Amino acid sequence: AQRVTQPEKLLSVFKGAPVELKCNYSYSGSPELFWYVQYSRQRLQLLLRHISRESIKGFTADLNKGETSFHLKKPFAQEEDSAMYYCALSRLTGGGNKLTFGTGTQLKVEL
Amino acid sequence: ETGVTQSPTHLIKTRGQQVTLRCSSQSGHNTVSWYQQALGQGPQFIFQYYREEENGRGNFPPRFSGLQFPNYSSELNVNALELDDSALYLCASSLGQMGVDTQYFGPGTRLTVL
Repeated sequence: AQRVTQPEKLLSVFKGAPVELKCNYSYSGSPELFWYVQYSRQRLQLLLRHISRESIKGFTADLNKGETSFHLKKPFAQEEDSAMYYCALSRLTGGGNKLTFGTGTQLKVEL
Repeated sequence: ETGVTQSPTHLIKTRGQQVTLRCSSQSGHNTVSWYQQALGQGPQFIFQYYREEENGRGNFPPRFSGLQFPNYSSELNVNALELDDSALYLCASSLGQMGVDTQYFGPGTRLTVL
């Protein structure tokens, strides 16, 4: 069975402070990991995914297979980063790309 | 390019009734997935349709059923509604059903069961 754990429901940081949103997963096969973000009154949208190895809006995430983690990081938080963040997992190979989501972390960036 | 659209945006039903939710996939996408998001939870996978065939199903009872049409739009049907079916229902489309195919989400349909 595949599972994604986001231990923090709420993370509050000051503007300019570093941000780390934690994500741990369990999956027996080859996983593909994602971070989705939902800004207030907007739809769920892809922030970044491991296979692309991109940095989006200053966010990065490294897949650590030994620790089964895919933590999301940003060196300097901005007010516009306040949103709900979901970590998700799908299989990388084979058919079917269903996503398994964590319960989400609400990031609040304070001035 | 048109994104994923869903209708209706909100719906109120009573226990025991049936409901149909609709989704239009993004242009060029042949795969549609449906998710249920209860309050305070992450989305949970219901099922996926690829080229009009069911292509995977989550842990949901048979009263949750779906269809995909030749234009790749999709419907989610829920029979014998229960109070716990109250949730946001999300539709996502992708170019294909492989792991490399990113899913793009619609705005959701908020279903309330009284």
